Amino acid sequence: GQQLNQSPQSMFIQEGEDVSMNCTSSSIFNTWLWYKQEPGEGPVLLIALYKAGELTSNGRLTAQFGITRKDSFLNISASIPSDVGIYFCAGQLRNSGYALNFGKGTSLLVTP
Amino acid sequence: SAVISQKPSRDICQRGTSLTIQCQVDSQVTMMFWYRQQPGQSLTLIATANQGSEATYESGFVIDKFPISRPNLTFSTLTVSNLSPEDSSIYLCSVDASEQFFGPGTRLTVL
Repeated sequence: GQQLNQSPQSMFIQEGEDVSMNCTSSSIFNTWLWYKQEPGEGPVLLIALYKAGELTSNGRLTAQFGITRKDSFLNISASIPSDVGIYFCAGQLRNSGYALNFGKGTSLLVTP
Repeated sequence: SAVISQKPSRDICQRGTSLTIQCQVDSQVTMMFWYRQQPGQSLTLIATANQGSEATYESGFVIDKFPISRPNLTFSTLTVSNLSPEDSSIYLCSVDASEQFFGPGTRLTVL
């Protein structure tokens, strides 16, 4: 599979700040997913996107599926200390194998 | 969603030995996958575990090193054979149940 370009690599912010991270690919996908991984745990699905242009929210999290189908972003509003973790984007072709292609992750640190 | 468990959660193994990791799902699923996550890295797909047939391996992964079983629609095993320190990683199983969900991972350290 291909590795997606995810940025930024890390973020160190203060509680209450908003966070934005994005993911780009040279290939199109028909599904974009965002996961959060905490130490010692497997990735936990945050948001799944299925249509180009789709904007989906999950609490303080908002993600969008880019119009070109080659990119996606995740925003976290009003960050809190428990947002700490590594966030991964993943692209999927659900009509071709179903395996996920992951970004390298964004490590988020939030100070109280 | 799907609830996935893995055994063992962690292990320390000697060079040259093998470790078999079990993955159990709480519902029947068609698609099951095994990923490797090297220290500080992202996830890389090892193989798709196919029920009733041989697993489909990604480039760079071979059956002799990573034999996989999938005896039914709720269970799979991954064996990491002839261990070397470079095999020290987290191994994760996942299932596709409308979306893809991950188990908690197995942290392997090879001495």
